Amino acid sequence: QVQLVESGGGVVQPGRSLRLSCAASGFILSDYVMHWVRQAPGKGLEWVAAISYDGSDKYYADSVKGRFTISRDNSKNTLYVQMNSLRSEDTAVYYCAKDSGWKLDPWGQGTLVTVSS
Amino acid sequence: IQLTQSPSSLSASVGDRVTITCRASQGISSYLAWYQQKAGKVPKLLIYLASTLQSGVPSRFSGSGSGTIFTLTISSLQPEDFATYYCQQLHSHPFTFGPGTNVD
Repeated sequence: QVQLVESGGGVVQPGRSLRLSCAASGFILSDYVMHWVRQAPGKGLEWVAAISYDGSDKYYADSVKGRFTISRDNSKNTLYVQMNSLRSEDTAVYYCAKDSGWKLDPWGQGTLVTVSS
Repeated sequence: IQLTQSPSSLSASVGDRVTITCRASQGISSYLAWYQQKAGKVPKLLIYLASTLQSGVPSRFSGSGSGTIFTLTISSLQPEDFATYYCQQLHSHPFTFGPGTNVD
């Protein structure tokens, strides 16, 4: 079955970096656009970034542009997001999601990133 | 593209008909999806392309609209439907979400 599993979350100090991974199984990653979405504690969903099938096109929310970099390794069936210059407002659960044609489905279970000194 | 949802929260009872509205700041054709999220859980896709029911989603959920105004309707609210509902536009990047509607 299609499954997405995020990893790499944790506690990080402001200004530091973190890389999240999303391992895909049950489908061929290179056939799909992929997304990252986050949710701060007690808040709504915020779309973060997307990447095209081959990684040639990348899109970002204004709130992370210039600090986050989305990437993918189709040979490893894995999606990434490199997060630099982290701020307290980046504290959130980060989800990866498969773009199944004008819809995000399924989503991973999420990984929590806490930015705190 | 900004999305607004109304109401932001609503109180309803089992059996009620519930309607949630999502408005886009500019036309997005039918590129709108609806998600349900229960507390502590992963968002679940309900509707995509404004009115297409995702496989496995009960038929009491329906979506309509195009352009800038969209609605999600639950024809007869069930106990498992108490949750927060989000719309998302997939017309153009960034693929923004609405602020959510809490149904309790």
